[in-house]
Amino acid sequence: GQSLEQPSEVTAVEGAIVQINCTYQTSGFYGLSWYQQHDGGAPTFLSYNALDGLEETGRFSSFLSRSDSYGYLLLQELQMKDSASYFCAVLQTGANNLFFGTGTRLTVIP
Amino acid sequence: DTAVSQTPKYLVTQMGNDKSIKCEQNLGHDTMYWYKQDSKKFLKIMFSYNNKELIINETVPNRFSPKSPDKAHLNLHINSLELGDSAVYFCASSPLAGGNEQFFGPGTRLTVL
Repeated sequence: GQSLEQPSEVTAVEGAIVQINCTYQTSGFYGLSWYQQHDGGAPTFLSYNALDGLEETGRFSSFLSRSDSYGYLLLQELQMKDSASYFCAVLQTGANNLFFGTGTRLTVIP
Repeated sequence: DTAVSQTPKYLVTQMGNDKSIKCEQNLGHDTMYWYKQDSKKFLKIMFSYNNKELIINETVPNRFSPKSPDKAHLNLHINSLELGDSAVYFCASSPLAGGNEQFFGPGTRLTVL
């Protein structure tokens, strides 16, 4: 089986930096993805880590430590439009699908 | 141009009815998926098709039947709808099976009364 744990809610101030953590337990881990979902919208892909380290894409970065079964999404220079739910998702070796975490609702306040 | 489209966007129906949701992708992807997102926003895979062939069939009641007439379309038919089927259903696609980057449709909000 597999499990992913994320905080259910995070609140941060506009312009600040926020980190959303994800710990996972799975067999045959291949990589960790992050998705953003605004209320009423569809999940959209943000990033993917297969190797240890930090991947940066503009204001968003994602980190993976395979030895710790841990990753995080880092959002910098927060904007009001970043208020959304963020999901980590595991890609398992031999599997043909992603297994999603329960999501973290980020609220950005002025 | 819409990459992954679903119809209808909203579906309100009575218990016991049969309904279908359609999905189309114009990205040229080989793999398509159906997910169910419940009221707690948990996103769970239901089915996956690769080039019209079923490759994932999670523990889903057999009242749910997917059908892929070609690799650009994946439809979902639901028989004898139950209250617990109320959820948002998302179609998604990826270039290959097991893709880490999946492209989601806008979702279909199903409400069973």
